[in-house]
Amino acid sequence: AQSVTQLGSHVSVSEGALVLLRCNYSSSVPPYLFWYVQYPNQGLQLLLKYTTGATLVKGINGFEAEFKKSETSFHLTKPSAHMSDAAEYFCAVSDRGFQKLVFGTGTRLLVSP
Amino acid sequence: DAGITQSPRYKITETGRQVTLMCHQTWSHSYMFWYRQDLGHGLRLIYYSAAADITDKGEVPDGYVVSRSKTENFPLTLESATRSQTSVYFCASSEPPSGRFQETQYFGPGTRLLVL
Repeated sequence: AQSVTQLGSHVSVSEGALVLLRCNYSSSVPPYLFWYVQYPNQGLQLLLKYTTGATLVKGINGFEAEFKKSETSFHLTKPSAHMSDAAEYFCAVSDRGFQKLVFGTGTRLLVSP
Repeated sequence: DAGITQSPRYKITETGRQVTLMCHQTWSHSYMFWYRQDLGHGLRLIYYSAAADITDKGEVPDGYVVSRSKTENFPLTLESATRSQTSVYFCASSEPPSGRFQETQYFGPGTRLLVL
């Protein structure tokens, strides 16, 4: 069965600092991987996804993630945090050819001035 | 308005009552999903539908019923609400997977349900 582990339920950074949110997955087949962001009292919005091809994926708002098969990881990064990045971030995995997503438990990003 | 909408946005009910949460999308997406979001669990899939009149269970289907008579609507019914069903419920929709690629799921704003 597929699963996703997000290390750290909360991550705090200062504005302008590097953002690193960790995601490790477990899948018996090459997976599709996703990062979603949830702002307070809103639904989830896709940040980026890896399906095939280039392992470094760029998303919206300056975020990017790298698929590392050997480490079964898909960590999310942003070089310089902005106050507006404060939100909850979810990593998700799915099998190829299927539309069902399995989500991690989420990481809340706190950005201080 | 175009997009995916959920109603009501907030609901308080009592144990044992039947509650229906509505989801409507205007994109004519064939796939629709219901998730619940709970602290420490992230989002968990309750039910999904690949097309009208085709539904299937997800990870946590017990206590829930779905139907899909029209492509654009996917209501979720709690037949006899329990306190453990207090949660935030999200509906999502997507195109079907196309070849090697999985299509993006688009989420509604959520319904906050409190069962007393």
